[in-house]
Amino acid sequence: KNEVEQSPQNLTAQEGEFITINCSYSVGISALHWLQQHPGGGIVSLFMLSSGKKKHGRLIATINIQEKHSSLHITASHPRDSAVYICAVRYRGGADGLTFGKGTHLIIQP
Amino acid sequence: GAVVSQHPSRVICKSGTSVKIECRSLDFQATTMFWYRQFPKQSLMLMATSNEGSKATYEQGVEKDKFLINHASLTLSTLTVTSAHPEDSSFYICSAREWGGTTEAFFGQGTRLTVV
Repeated sequence: KNEVEQSPQNLTAQEGEFITINCSYSVGISALHWLQQHPGGGIVSLFMLSSGKKKHGRLIATINIQEKHSSLHITASHPRDSAVYICAVRYRGGADGLTFGKGTHLIIQP
Repeated sequence: GAVVSQHPSRVICKSGTSVKIECRSLDFQATTMFWYRQFPKQSLMLMATSNEGSKATYEQGVEKDKFLINHASLTLSTLTVTSAHPEDSSFYICSAREWGGTTEAFFGQGTRLTVV
């Protein structure tokens, strides 16, 4: 079964801390997405990766294809970063849609 | 960036009635749209893939007669939950792939459906 595992499931940190969220998957992929879901449910795409590393503002996403692992980092975290962060992959040769992890519920306390 | 508009954001309906959810790509043509469902504290799960001008492809376990999908134009796909039941209460969200694009990263805002 193709699965996407995220860790941790829940994370509470203080404002300013460096945050790391991890994602691992089981078989070859064509793309990996990091998404942000706010309490209302709406989803924002943060990154789409197929290799290497991407940076946008305080967010950094990396992927190691050989190890089937990706990380999302948040530097200088802020309470407005509080959200659910979801890793999703498109499996190579598989179904056309995305397979999602269960998400990491992040709370940044002031 | 590309915008996908989903409507309504919230709907409450009575058991047995039907509810239509719309997903529109506002500034691009979407040849493929995806419909997902998310139960509380669960992952988003793909329900069906909708291709413009053809029948949707449903994932295993999703009843095509209950969840009617229409993708009649390059900018609009609709999901109709027919004869809604309380177990259909969930968060439904669409995403769209741009014509010629290789990524699927444009999501609607989602619809919170409550069937009473």
